[in-house]
Amino acid sequence: DTGVSQDPRHKITKRGQNVTFRCDPISEHNRLYWYRQTLGQGPEFLTYFQNEAQLEKSRLLSDRFSAERPKGSFSTLEIQRTEQGDSAMYLCASSLLGLAEVDTQYFGPGTRLTVL
Amino acid sequence: GQNIDQPTEMTATEGAIVQINCTYQTSGFNGLFWYQQHAGEAPTFLSYNVLDGLEEKGRFSSFLSRSKGYSYLLLKELQMKDSASYLCAVVDSNYQLIWGAGTKLIIKP
Repeated sequence: DTGVSQDPRHKITKRGQNVTFRCDPISEHNRLYWYRQTLGQGPEFLTYFQNEAQLEKSRLLSDRFSAERPKGSFSTLEIQRTEQGDSAMYLCASSLLGLAEVDTQYFGPGTRLTVL
Repeated sequence: GQNIDQPTEMTATEGAIVQINCTYQTSGFNGLFWYQQHAGEAPTFLSYNVLDGLEEKGRFSSFLSRSKGYSYLLLKELQMKDSASYLCAVVDSNYQLIWGAGTKLIIKP
């Protein structure tokens, strides 16, 4: 059983560049979440998918951020025109929503983004 | 607004017991999670409580009181590897996870 994987693990970019991150969830999981986390804070919700449908997007998320999950399996998160404030750890989590209304999320190792 | 409060940092001694508290004020309640996060790594699931009372899982136990908006995580027989941040997260009325900022636990020999 492989867990959630994310690629790349680290990304350094210059301000104004676009970056894309990939997340591969646990294979049978139907939900996929993206979070952002900065030092000393809990994860901040960005968006989530159930299968291929994007069900919610944080109101704090600017138009520079977009996420896709085209076939209901892996997902990508793109940040356009990066800013220094985008520097953070980007976490992906997946879960299996079954009959119960609460799902347990399992996290990937994260992608650490540094914007210079 | 929604609010989760945890102590920022705690220190304990190897072999001892430590209790990490979490108080919450959220719009609705559908359960509370505890996650462990080592520095530079992803959070890992520890426990989920939705009913009042204590749930024990090896050296770790989690307690919930819904009437008081309060939970704690109890760690027994502390080991150096328990040095990590412990995150409390509440499931609100929309089934969204509201995260606390985490408690950094430092274990000293």
